[in-house]
Amino acid sequence: EAEVAQSPRYKITEKSQAVAFWCDPISGHATLYWYRQILGQGPELLVQFQDESVVDDSQLPKDRFSAERLKGVDSTLKIQPAELGDSAMYLCASSLARGSGGYNEQFFGPGTRLTVL
Amino acid sequence: AQKVTQAQTEISVVEKEDVTLDCVYETRDTTYYLFWYKQPPSGELVFLIRRNSFDEQNEISGRYSWNFQKSTSSFNFTITASQVVDSAVYFCALSEDFGNEKLTFGTGTRLTIIP
Repeated sequence: EAEVAQSPRYKITEKSQAVAFWCDPISGHATLYWYRQILGQGPELLVQFQDESVVDDSQLPKDRFSAERLKGVDSTLKIQPAELGDSAMYLCASSLARGSGGYNEQFFGPGTRLTVL
Repeated sequence: AQKVTQAQTEISVVEKEDVTLDCVYETRDTTYYLFWYKQPPSGELVFLIRRNSFDEQNEISGRYSWNFQKSTSSFNFTITASQVVDSAVYFCALSEDFGNEKLTFGTGTRLTIIP
């Protein structure tokens, strides 16, 4: 069964360091999402891609966060510099293209748990 | 703006008891989708159910059942004869726009089943 892959699964870093997460969506899924889940809260959307284009990044802290999906397949989320408040689970999800008819289910990866010391 | 409220932060029940998790939502759209996800300690989100705004029929799947009431903007989830494996955090979520499936999640309810 196809799955969304994420790496690393766990990351510990010191504040002020740079950190990057990788996501490989299910093959053929044009839409890719990055969510952040702070402990004790529900996931919140950071950025949404349709192919290589950003559809929604209104909640992405652009002074320190960046996301790219250069070839419209896998994606990288970067934080530079990391802050203590960035400690969270970062979840990637993918779905078929928007507007392709019907509701397109989001499939979630296992997440990357980030701890900033 | 869309919002999902899960007022129950934590619930503990003894195994085999029934338990209901509450979810109240806010949206201006007439077309929307509601979801329940399970998040076990390992962290991945497990999809349980999707319901669209035009279908108010209750649904039962094994020990799980869902009660959707548009009049009260609620989408409650009941587990019958709970088991220890049901222990997890459960999230209710809303997707507002057809064709833009961004999910808005509630804060989750941590369910603990006591053996």
